[in-house]
Amino acid sequence: SQQGEEDPQALSIQEGENATMNCSYKTSINNLQWYRQNSGRGLVHLILIRSNEREKHSGRLRVTLDTSKKSSSLLITASRAADTASYFCATSSGGSYIPTFGRGTSLIVHP
Amino acid sequence: EAQVTQNPRYLITVTGKKLTVTCSQNMNHEYMSWYRQDPGLGLRQIYYSMNVEVTDKGDVPEGYKVSRKEKRNFPLILESPSPNQTSLYFCASSPPTPYEQYFGPGTRLTVT
Repeated sequence: SQQGEEDPQALSIQEGENATMNCSYKTSINNLQWYRQNSGRGLVHLILIRSNEREKHSGRLRVTLDTSKKSSSLLITASRAADTASYFCATSSGGSYIPTFGRGTSLIVHP
Repeated sequence: EAQVTQNPRYLITVTGKKLTVTCSQNMNHEYMSWYRQDPGLGLRQIYYSMNVEVTDKGDVPEGYKVSRKEKRNFPLILESPSPNQTSLYFCASSPPTPYEQYFGPGTRLTVT
């Protein structure tokens, strides 16, 4: 099954800076989702972007999707220490509506 | 409150002793899944279910069984656990659309 690949694996920034993480995938998708996971806890859904959409916003989050490059990016603006977490992209493709997850990007925001 | 619950949250067991991890959701979701999470490997899907009595293998089904007799419950069964099944397990549920998954709090399993 297809798996998104997040990049970078780890990201360390200062509070107030923007954080950008990327997700690349191999085959056409129906939609792409981003999730956040605080250490050892369940994943929390952040945003879903469909294959016919190019950009979505939710609060301080901005997600873009470039289907020609088979990639997506998640931008967190004005980061806070509470944004420290792992971020996963998940893709759904073909007839499967169960998303497949990547390995995640670990974000540390220093206060 | 809409939620997915898992029990137990922590479990230490020995090789070969059958165990069941329960999962229950109160959102009337059709889809339910089990994942395991291991360092450096991300989340890997074990089994999923599209509705009652309909289950299918994910990416890493070996050594696991599931059942879906009721819509709200999706237990994960390890008939003969082995140390390589030591992991963090997550149950998730979702409606048919728009595919957003709701995750349980996780079960940390250690098999010695």
